[in-house]
Amino acid sequence: AQSVTQLDSQVPVFEEAPVELRCNYSSSVSVYLFWYVQYPNQGLQLLLKYLSGSTLVESINGFEAEFNKSQTSFHLRKPSVHISDTAEYFCAVSESTGNQFYFGTGTSLTVIP
Amino acid sequence: DTGVSQDPRHKITKRGQNVTFRCDPISEHNRLYWYRQTLGQGPEFLTYFQNEAQLEKSRLLSDRFSAERPKGSFSTLEIQRTEQGDSAMYLCASSLKGAGFSEAFFGQGTRLTVV
Repeated sequence: AQSVTQLDSQVPVFEEAPVELRCNYSSSVSVYLFWYVQYPNQGLQLLLKYLSGSTLVESINGFEAEFNKSQTSFHLRKPSVHISDTAEYFCAVSESTGNQFYFGTGTSLTVIP
Repeated sequence: DTGVSQDPRHKITKRGQNVTFRCDPISEHNRLYWYRQTLGQGPEFLTYFQNEAQLEKSRLLSDRFSAERPKGSFSTLEIQRTEQGDSAMYLCASSLKGAGFSEAFFGQGTRLTVV
């Protein structure tokens, strides 16, 4: 089974400052990687995904994540955060031949005005 | 709304009672997943269906838990003789499994509180 580690449970950051949410996974096989966002009282929404190809993937709202195979990491970054980015962020992995998603414990991002 | 819908959104029950949750996936999706999320944790896989067939179950799914997807459309998750440890958010997701990757879309969840 896969395991996903999100090292930071809570990340407070000032508005317009950069942020990085860290994610590491354990796997020696081919995987798909994801970041999901969960706003209060809402379901999980896919933020971005890495399937293959370019190791840098971007979302429509300015987030990006880079797949680093040697470090088994998929850190999420944003150069300038907004109040509306306040949410819980989950990193997830799925084996390319597998049938389920394995989630990390989540990082609560709080953007401070 | 054509997303994944779950009913009810909240359920409070007494210990020992049975509860049943329903999930309606996106209509053309052939895969349906159930996850459980407790406070401070990420979602944990419980089980998934490919059409009406239940293909995989987690060891987290004790004998008190049963899931069905009788016609390959909506699914139900029943918990018998609920325990306080069953208190959690139960999430349903669906996807269209084809030759390649398919994104999973999640519902808003059913929050179960066992008192």
